[in-house]
Order: sequence, then C-alpha cells, then structure tokens
Amino acid sequence: QKEVEQNSGPLSVPEGAIASLNCTYSDRGSQSFFWYRQYSGKSPELIMSIYSNGDKEDGRFTAQLNKASQYVSLLIRDSQPSDSATYLCAVMGTGRRALTFGSGTRLQVQP
Amino acid sequence: DAGVIQSPRHEVTEMGQEVTLRCKPISGHNSLFWYRQTMMRGLELLIYFNNNVPIDDSGMPEDRFSAKMPNASFSTLKIQPSEPRDSAVYFCASSFSGNVHEKLFFGSGTQLSVL
Repeated sequence: QKEVEQNSGPLSVPEGAIASLNCTYSDRGSQSFFWYRQYSGKSPELIMSIYSNGDKEDGRFTAQLNKASQYVSLLIRDSQPSDSATYLCAVMGTGRRALTFGSGTRLQVQP
Repeated sequence: DAGVIQSPRHEVTEMGQEVTLRCKPISGHNSLFWYRQTMMRGLELLIYFNNNVPIDDSGMPEDRFSAKMPNASFSTLKIQPSEPRDSAVYFCASSFSGNVHEKLFFGSGTQLSVL
C-alpha cells in the first residue's frame, strides 16, 4: 500500500463546476496535510494546508480533512480552464520532517 | 526573495558521465530537500538536510548518488556515474523548520536526460 494515494485521473469537469479531488494516507499519526498544484513543465506550488479535522476555505478552494478515515480532499468551486493542472496531495508522516507526495490527480477543466 | 534557485535548468549527458545539480535555498530557511519526479514513480524524496546536516538519505537510490550542503545557502546533488534510468526532473525545495507545520517551497527543477 502506498503511503499517499490519489486517483491519477484525468478528472474532467466543465467550466464553472465543482472539482473534487481526493487523497487517502496510511500513516494514522500524520499531522500536516497539503495540496500542491503543478502545471505541466513547472514546479509544484502550495495552494492549501490543513492540520485539523473539518473544512478550511481559501477563496475558491476548500480543503477537507477526516483523520479518522485518513482522508483529505480538495474542492475547487467555479472551476476555470486555468485550474487545469496536476494536483498533488502531500502528507507529513509521524516523526518525519519531510513530505510524502501522492502521484497526483490530473484535472482538466473544459471551457 | 528570489525563491529557491536551481541550476542548470536542463542537463543532457551521456551514460557514465558525472552530473552535478545545484541549489540555493530561500534565505532564512533551515531545511533543504532533494526530490526526483518521474512519470512512473511520481515525486520521491531523495534526501533532506536540517541546519546543513543530512537527516534522512534513505531515498537515495544507490551509492552513485551523493548530496552535500557545505553551508546554509548552497547544496549539490551529484550522480556518478550517471545511467539512463536517472533521467528525471530533480527538484530542490526548502522550508523553515520551526514547527511541524512546515510549508515547502520548490525550485524550478533540473530536467536531466542521460543518453
């Protein structure tokens, strides 16, 4: 079992719709969770972080964390073609100081 | 701040040659990470340093890979000898290790092609 799992996609949504990206992790003691966006040929950039159970909203983005289910999600409201990218889930495992990344979900927003 | 700076952006070399990748972290950051990204394996941690000291090098694939951080503003990742399977994008990233909620900032990466 991979430490951080994501569906590779592509996830295709129409412009203006809500895109829902999911991630599960295996280390139950993990404390910090991040979503990175990576455009093709570019480096990952941080878009959201979440540390407590529940929802965290930032503009069109909402991160959701459920530690009991070991599940993290990212919702993108009013999706735009510029949101088309690969979204990487990253987890800070127990006793670690480095992030473990999932393989990413490719999102395509159709105009 | 200019962000994390990596060089070169692209490197094409022949099998058996030595390759050196360079990284300058963000000023004030005390943790530095080297990641490798391929289509097959995604983004993998190779090694990370805290206060210039290597903390975890369990991701370094084999003895052909070595990394150094002689001071707080510079790190190198060396591959000697290089092999075609080393072809990947190598990212350097840095963070301020003040608590468990570290946020990682990536450089632009080095696209390595070993022929």
